[in-house]
Amino acid sequence: GENVEQHPSTLSVQEGDSAVIKCTYSDSASNYFPWYKQELGKGPQLIIDIRSNVGEKKDQRIAVTLNKTAKHFSLHITETQPEDSAVYFCAANTGGFKTIFGAGTRLFVKA
Amino acid sequence: NAGVTQTPKFRVLKTGQSMTLLCAQDMNHEYMYWYRQDPGMGLRLIHYSVGEGTTAKGEVPDGYNVSRLKKQNFLLGLESAAPSQTSVYFCASGPLEGSREQYFGPGTRLTVT
Repeated sequence: GENVEQHPSTLSVQEGDSAVIKCTYSDSASNYFPWYKQELGKGPQLIIDIRSNVGEKKDQRIAVTLNKTAKHFSLHITETQPEDSAVYFCAANTGGFKTIFGAGTRLFVKA
Repeated sequence: NAGVTQTPKFRVLKTGQSMTLLCAQDMNHEYMYWYRQDPGMGLRLIHYSVGEGTTAKGEVPDGYNVSRLKKQNFLLGLESAAPSQTSVYFCASGPLEGSREQYFGPGTRLTVT
């Protein structure tokens, strides 16, 4: 069935360093790829998304890249700050109502 | 503008008991969803609704029922709770037009003993 794999499950970086989270998806019909950030005790919140007709998208310190041929997409956070510490989820959607989420990456940013 | 709210925030049930989780959104969204979140498994879709009076099964619907009598509310029911339903439940909503972004509520932590 449809699947989204996310790596790593845990990531620890020093403040100011970059963080990269990678995802692969199985359904070649997927055309919308959102990334959500979940802080402790809260619901996930969309931080950036990318559609299949775009290879890269950037929003300040956050960027997402998409390789449709390899079915890979990645989240890049530059100049990390302690408030970036959270769980990050990637997801893939084929255009319907079903969004498949990755298992999540717990990011720790050490001050 | 409260966004998506969920009640209750926490609940402990005994096996076999029933309960209803309430989700409300004030953004006039057509789409609403119920997910469960378990450690190491991300978010899995239980049921969803594409409009008032309509519901559909998601990835893991067994043991749950839903209703969408009003556009702003989406109820998730457990008729006979089981320990396997111990989880954190999230409701989300999304607009009909434009992006497929989902707006999530704060979650309900349910423990079934």
